Amino acid sequence: NAGVTQTPKFQVLKTGQSMTLQCAQDMNHNSMYWYRQDPGMGLRLIYYSASEGTTDKGEVPNGYNVSRLNKREFSLRLESAAPSQTSVYFCASSPHPDNQPQHFGDGTRLSIL
Amino acid sequence: AQSVTQLDSQVPVFEEAPVELRCNYSSSVSVYLFWYVQYPNQGLQLLLKYLSGSTLVKGINGFEAEFNKSQTSFHLRKPSVHISDTAEYFCAVSFKAAGNKLTFGGGTRVLVKP
Repeated sequence: NAGVTQTPKFQVLKTGQSMTLQCAQDMNHNSMYWYRQDPGMGLRLIYYSASEGTTDKGEVPNGYNVSRLNKREFSLRLESAAPSQTSVYFCASSPHPDNQPQHFGDGTRLSIL
Repeated sequence: AQSVTQLDSQVPVFEEAPVELRCNYSSSVSVYLFWYVQYPNQGLQLLLKYLSGSTLVKGINGFEAEFNKSQTSFHLRKPSVHISDTAEYFCAVSFKAAGNKLTFGGGTRVLVKP
């Protein structure tokens, strides 16, 4: 089915370890987003990519980096994981930068011990 | 700072009863308004959106919402809920002055009881 695919679905890390969350969309959307979801706080934007080749910081970018590898793929990297980064991470896409996110992946549940 | 408040963190409701989820935002500038639904272990799905025009917006699955500019509210309603409506609902606002980026409320968990 068409949509946004995230890998992995679950991950447990130790403090200080690094990892990359992968996201791919097959809808030919221009814009892609990374959010984190924490209880009672809704979703907060980490980084976004308005179009291929561009990335910008969102509300909570500290401790993260992103790569827009091509139009389909947008990865999120934690260089040195911290317990405060324990969260559920969602990737989303939209056809155009002026559109709000319309399609979300199923999330990556990340625990950092 | 611009913010979105969902006044109820949890709403229990019996099947076939009506439900209203409240959402208020703080802004004096133009906004776009959205409601998303999140079923367990899934991502968010767009229920409906207000961009302009009629203040009563109809969405999927029988939901509707009304934009009230004077009260800076965008409450979500459904006249008769089903068990399958059990989910978490998020109000989100796009503040034009903030580059159209979405700001989410904290979410409201709806539990539909038989």
